Amino acid sequence: QKEVEQDPGPLSVPEGAIVSLNCTYSNSAFQYFMWYRQYSRKGPELLMYTYSSGNKEDGRFTAQVDKSSKYISLFIRDSQPSDSATYLCAMRGTGGFKTIFGAGTRLFVKA
Amino acid sequence: DAGVIQSPRHEVTEMGQEVTLRCKPISGHDYLFWYRQTMMRGLELLIYFNNNVPIDDSGMPEDRFSAKMPNASFSTLKIQPSEPRDSAVYFCASSFEPGQPQHFGDGTRLSIL
Repeated sequence: QKEVEQDPGPLSVPEGAIVSLNCTYSNSAFQYFMWYRQYSRKGPELLMYTYSSGNKEDGRFTAQVDKSSKYISLFIRDSQPSDSATYLCAMRGTGGFKTIFGAGTRLFVKA
Repeated sequence: DAGVIQSPRHEVTEMGQEVTLRCKPISGHDYLFWYRQTMMRGLELLIYFNNNVPIDDSGMPEDRFSAKMPNASFSTLKIQPSEPRDSAVYFCASSFEPGQPQHFGDGTRLSIL
């Protein structure tokens, strides 16, 4: 079993839809949770960064962490064609640097 | 403000050849990471440096892979000899301090024929 599980998709939605992206994990030591966006032929770009449980909102993006269920989510409101990309979840513990990435979910937002 | 810079962006070479990938981290970032991304395995950490010193190279797949950081603004990842299964996108990333997330370059797309 992988430490971080993420459905690779693809996920296709119409413009304006609310998008929900999710990851599950098995290591209870993970404390830092991140979402990266990766456009084709580009490097991952940090979108959201949260510590421990709770919600964090930034514009159209909301990140949720539920440590009791070992489940994290990224919501995108009013999705736009420019949101079409691969979204990777990532997480790590408090010690060391090893960040574990999910496989990434490909998202297509149709105009 | 310049981000992480990687070169070359694309590399195509024949099996058995030496390959050298280069990275310039963000100025002031003390941590540098090398990753490999493939469809099958996703994004994998190969090695990371702190203040130019290799800290954890447990992700380096084989002795054919080596990485150096001669100074704070330059790092190389070398594969010798290269094999077709080394074909992947190789990313370099850097961060300022332990609690901060990593900033990625745009990668080197490596194809070994």
